[in-house]
Amino acid sequence: DAGVIQSPRHEVTEMGQEVTLRCKPISGHDYLFWYRQTMMRGLELLIYFNNNVPIDDSGMPEDRFSAKMPNASFSTLKIQPSEPRDSAVYFCASSLQGIYNSPLHFGNGTRLTVT
Amino acid sequence: GNSVTQMEGPVTLSEEAFLTINCTYTATGYPSLFWYVQYPGEGLQLLLKATKADDKGSNKGFEATYRKETTSFHLEKGSVQVSDSAVYFCALSEDSGSRLTFGEGTQLTVNP
Repeated sequence: DAGVIQSPRHEVTEMGQEVTLRCKPISGHDYLFWYRQTMMRGLELLIYFNNNVPIDDSGMPEDRFSAKMPNASFSTLKIQPSEPRDSAVYFCASSLQGIYNSPLHFGNGTRLTVT
Repeated sequence: GNSVTQMEGPVTLSEEAFLTINCTYTATGYPSLFWYVQYPGEGLQLLLKATKADDKGSNKGFEATYRKETTSFHLEKGSVQVSDSAVYFCALSEDSGSRLTFGEGTQLTVNP
């Protein structure tokens, strides 16, 4: 089991550019979550999917953020246009049955820096 | 709404010292409670959990007891090691959904 795989590990971009973060969940996991971690706000849930369907996107900051899950083994989080305040570590996580019954497995994160 | 409050860090201890990290919560229903740990440069990992009042979660020498009367889930370890240095997050999940609410995290450093 390779765990949750995120790419890239680090991303540095200029304000206004489009950024795409990628995630491969653990095979067989039905739930996928995107979190953002900053010093100021800690860990924030952005969006989660169940069986590839977005269930709760109330944490997505604004229209510049979008997330997709075209199939069970791949998800993307896109920021367009990016702004310096988007700088953070973005984590993808998956779980087998939903977090009430099974643990979250996190990837190692993507550290995004927007200059 | 739901919230989790952890004791402020950072916490610095010597090896073999006793550890307590306080966690209290506010929830409208009957949540499950969790401790996650984040080692440098990695994502979070589940450390332990408890799903109902008076349950004790335990793993790797860490323990936490779900106290409904005090709405607390304090993390304890009798003798910490240098390898326990990490950030510890308390979290809760309501029984009605899959949203996990995290505390702010507590940085623990254990010196040899």
